[in-house]
Amino acid sequence: NAGVTQTPKFRVLKTGQSMTLLCAQDMNHEYMYWYRQDPGMGLRLIHYSVGEGTTAKGEVPDGYNVSRLKKQNFLLGLESAAPSQTSVYFCASSGGADTQYFGPGTRLTVL
Amino acid sequence: QKEVEQDPGPLSVPEGAIVSLNCTYSNSAFQYFMWYRQYSRKGPELLMYTYSSGNKEDGRFTAQVDKSSKYISLFIRDSQPSDSATYLCAMTPGGYNQGGKLIFGQGTELSVKP
Repeated sequence: NAGVTQTPKFRVLKTGQSMTLLCAQDMNHEYMYWYRQDPGMGLRLIHYSVGEGTTAKGEVPDGYNVSRLKKQNFLLGLESAAPSQTSVYFCASSGGADTQYFGPGTRLTVL
Repeated sequence: QKEVEQDPGPLSVPEGAIVSLNCTYSNSAFQYFMWYRQYSRKGPELLMYTYSSGNKEDGRFTAQVDKSSKYISLFIRDSQPSDSATYLCAMTPGGYNQGGKLIFGQGTELSVKP
């Protein structure tokens, strides 16, 4: 039982490049979330999903897209990376309406 | 004003000290309260979970919720260097119409010195 896993762990992009971050969970959770964490800003919700095939915007959705084609996977895409998207990205999942379980994070640097 | 306020610290204490971490909030609809611990360069992990008001104890950790004051606390007894981490409070009204979204505090960085 791996819980929540994220791929890749680290990535360096040049401005304008695109990439996809993959989150996978093996707990059969309905809800999944993408956050970014920046110094002094805490955790900020980017997008979330309440079930397979659904997505919704969070607090800071601009510049990101998401897809939930399979229940166990939640993908976060950056179409045209900007230096302001340099951050640590965390995925989380939840089986109910409260507690969330987090992945180990992806450190992204945009040059 | 943020919905959840948490002193970011950093907080430095000697080993064996009692640590008190706190959050205040403004939304009276919050009913579920959590504390997460985040070690450096790791993901947050759930430490304590409390529903509504009251206390919950787990080993050296005690979580308190005072809904009348909109104030939650985490106490760590006999603190150890291994407790050095960032502690984040989180809360939600609950209910599936909320999408399970949590509102997080900024996190308090704790350092326990040997």
